[in-house]
Amino acid sequence: DADVTQTPRNRITKTGKRIMLECSQTKGHDRMYWYRQDPGLGLRLIYYSFDVKDINKGEISDGYSVSRQAQAKFSLSLESAIPNQTALYFCATRSTSITEAFFGQGTRLTVV
Amino acid sequence: GEDVEQSLFLSVREGDSSVINCTYTDSSSTYLYWYKQEPGAGLQLLTYIFSNMDMKQDQRLTVLLNKKDKHLSLRIADTQTGDSAIYFCAEGDNAGNMLTFGGGTRLMVKP
Repeated sequence: DADVTQTPRNRITKTGKRIMLECSQTKGHDRMYWYRQDPGLGLRLIYYSFDVKDINKGEISDGYSVSRQAQAKFSLSLESAIPNQTALYFCATRSTSITEAFFGQGTRLTVV
Repeated sequence: GEDVEQSLFLSVREGDSSVINCTYTDSSSTYLYWYKQEPGAGLQLLTYIFSNMDMKQDQRLTVLLNKKDKHLSLRIADTQTGDSAIYFCAEGDNAGNMLTFGGGTRLMVKP
């Protein structure tokens, strides 16, 4: 089983719909992140959380919200999806004691 | 803010060496990373280097860091078709804060 699991893996939704992307991890890490990947732009940080009670905006948080339901779960919501939110979304986890960040397989979201 | 730049594309022949370059702007970076992304997959950490090191070698991979010029490179020796992927350079700090990624370099290996 993957250490960082994202659901769904693929989703097509209509403009204006609310959608939630979920991430769960079995690594016991305290830090979780949501990134968005667009071609040629690399990964850009949307939100990050250092523990259950800590939520921080990243570089491109407008139009997104997050919820850290438990140490192992971090969900990303699009309250009213728009076409330029079509992208590949990655969840990542990291521990304060190690240097490596672990990534999920990604969720490909298409907004039509 | 921080900025990490990479060229978009590199094509090499199988058996040749590949060199992927990266420049960054944040002088406080503690760690510099190379991640590999294969089609349909997430990012896999290949290697990382501490900012107080100049070079790190790990089997076919050699990372060179020029801290003065804020330039990082990844050399893949004896490049194989299985090395075809997108390679991301990233920088991070010691506090476990977010990583800042470059735009990725797509490596194509021709037989």
